[in-house]
Amino acid sequence: GENVEQHPSTLSVQEGDSAVIKCTYSDSASNYFPWYKQELGKRPQLIIDIRSNVGEKKDQRIAVTLNKTAKHFSLHITETQPEDSAVYFCAALKGTGGFKTIFGAGTRLFVKA
Amino acid sequence: DTAVSQTPKYLVTQMGNDKSIKCEQNLGHDTMYWYKQDSKKFLKIMFSYNNKELIINETVPNRFSPKSPDKAHLNLHINSLELGDSAVYFCASSQQGGGEQFFGPGTRLTVL
Repeated sequence: GENVEQHPSTLSVQEGDSAVIKCTYSDSASNYFPWYKQELGKRPQLIIDIRSNVGEKKDQRIAVTLNKTAKHFSLHITETQPEDSAVYFCAALKGTGGFKTIFGAGTRLFVKA
Repeated sequence: DTAVSQTPKYLVTQMGNDKSIKCEQNLGHDTMYWYKQDSKKFLKIMFSYNNKELIINETVPNRFSPKSPDKAHLNLHINSLELGDSAVYFCASSQQGGGEQFFGPGTRLTVL
């Protein structure tokens, strides 16, 4: 069945360093890959997404890369700040009419001041 | 203005009881979802509804019965609650199932 694996499960970095979270997916029909951030006690919120016709997307300190051949995508956060501390989820689904989002298990990111 | 709202925020109940969680979105989306987030923070889809029609039912026990009276509402009724049902339940919505999902604030269900 469909599966999304996410690594690492926990990541601790010093403020100002970069953080990288990696995901792999199994369903080759997946074409939409969002990343959600969930702060403690809050709801998940989209921070960036990428579609399969694009290899990379950047939004200020956040970037996502996609390798369709390897079925692999990654989140990169540069110049981390304490407020980046949260759980990050990757996900994969078939866009437009894809009603089943498969989430990765989440990465708990700690940014130490 | 709250885009996706859920009630109640907290629900504490005894095993065997029946309870409901309500969800409403004012974004004009045609697709709504229920997710279960367990104590390890794993987010698992339970149901997807598109234009009030059930699209996805992820092998959820039939004690869970979603109901969508219209496109803006998706409620979840749970019969005969069990200890393992304790979790945070999130409602979400999106347009046409293929883009950003907007989550509600979550309902923390505790079964004693």
